[in-house]
Amino acid sequence: DAGVTQSPTHLIKTRGQHVTLRCSPISGHKSVSWYQQVLGQGPQFIFQYYEKEERGRGNFPDRFSARQFPNYSSELNVNALLLGDSALYLCASSLEDRASYEQYFGPGTRLTVT
Amino acid sequence: AQSVTQLGSHVSVSEGALVLLRCNYSSSVPPYLFWYVQYPNQGLQLLLKYTSAATLVKGINGFEAEFKKSETSFHLTKPSAHMSDAAEYFCAVSQPNFGNEKLTFGTGTRLTIIP
Repeated sequence: DAGVTQSPTHLIKTRGQHVTLRCSPISGHKSVSWYQQVLGQGPQFIFQYYEKEERGRGNFPDRFSARQFPNYSSELNVNALLLGDSALYLCASSLEDRASYEQYFGPGTRLTVT
Repeated sequence: AQSVTQLGSHVSVSEGALVLLRCNYSSSVPPYLFWYVQYPNQGLQLLLKYTSAATLVKGINGFEAEFKKSETSFHLTKPSAHMSDAAEYFCAVSQPNFGNEKLTFGTGTRLTIIP
């Protein structure tokens, strides 16, 4: 079975631009979470979606938004990009939205803002 | 509120020696605890998890961790290091709150194996 897939793998954007990152969860997984990992730090929680509803939001500005589609895939959108948005963006899926269920991580999208 | 502290951003051990990576947590409710490993240019892979069952948890690749409530610790160990263990290791905590599985990660420990 395919794992969590993310696209694109790498992305270079200019300050002020907008970006959309995509995630396809493992088949049958209904929960998708997004994390930002700045170089040298641990991942930080951005959003969690379950059954197309937002279930959690981390301490990120409103420039960050996300949604989940009927097939459980998800998009993360970031507007008005700043240099500080440069990071590895990780998507994780799990079967259910309970903390005891393992989250499976994708390989990430490396975003560079210049 | 929940948080994780990983002591030692870099740890080096000789091949065949004991691996000990330290993690202390803070949580307002009994937590779930996790150890993840990240190889270069890859996502995170779960090594093991504690979800309020046995306090000694065995994971993949010979790793194990012990939940000690009195010390608020969840240290990761492996009896004999292998070259393939070189990677970044993250401890994470979540709170068993239905509908919210947010993971809070530590800053990570880079493990280097000396031949």
